[in-house]
Amino acid sequence: GDSVTQMEGPVTLSEEAFLTINCTYTATGYPSLFWYVQYPGEGLQLLLKATKADDKGSNKGFEATYRKETTSFHLEKGSVQVSDSAVYFCALRRGNQAGTALIFGKGTTLSVSS
Amino acid sequence: DAGVTQSPTHLIKTRGQQVTLRCSPKSGHDTVSWYQQALGQGPQFIFQYYEEEERQRGNFPDRFSGHQFPNYSSELNVNALLLGDSALYLCASSFIEAVNSPLHFGNGTRLTVT
Repeated sequence: GDSVTQMEGPVTLSEEAFLTINCTYTATGYPSLFWYVQYPGEGLQLLLKATKADDKGSNKGFEATYRKETTSFHLEKGSVQVSDSAVYFCALRRGNQAGTALIFGKGTTLSVSS
Repeated sequence: DAGVTQSPTHLIKTRGQQVTLRCSPKSGHDTVSWYQQALGQGPQFIFQYYEEEERQRGNFPDRFSGHQFPNYSSELNVNALLLGDSALYLCASSFIEAVNSPLHFGNGTRLTVT
């Protein structure tokens, strides 16, 4: 079945460091791919998305490119801030209807220190 | 414009009891999905409701049931609680005809089963 695999955390960085969180997926067809972020005590917020191969999603300095050939959707940011400390989830959705079930990875905790 | 609201925020129940969690979708949304997020894990899809009917279901036992009301709000019921049901339960809403739109998540209900 469909699945998402994320790199194990926690990831600990100093402010202004470069961030990469790896995400690979297994799915038939052409799923949509997402990154969600969860701050302590809160629900999930959409960070960025890509709906077809070679699409690049971007938001708040974060970027991820949908790579069909490597089945990957790695999250990157050039210069992290303390406020980026959170748990990041990679997810896929088959089909383009908003309510279709999302399949999530286990999450990667990012801790940024000043 | 209120987003997705869930109640209660925290709940403590005893093994074998039954629990009801509630969710009001974001204004304009007609579809509600429920997810279970165990500690340190990614959310797992329980089911989705649209037009007061269960439309999709994940791999959860029949002890998990739901309901959607004419005003689009929803309830999640869990019977015969087990210790393993302890988790954060997330509600997410969407508009059925929204193509390539993301889910909007609430902040969740933290259920502890003792």
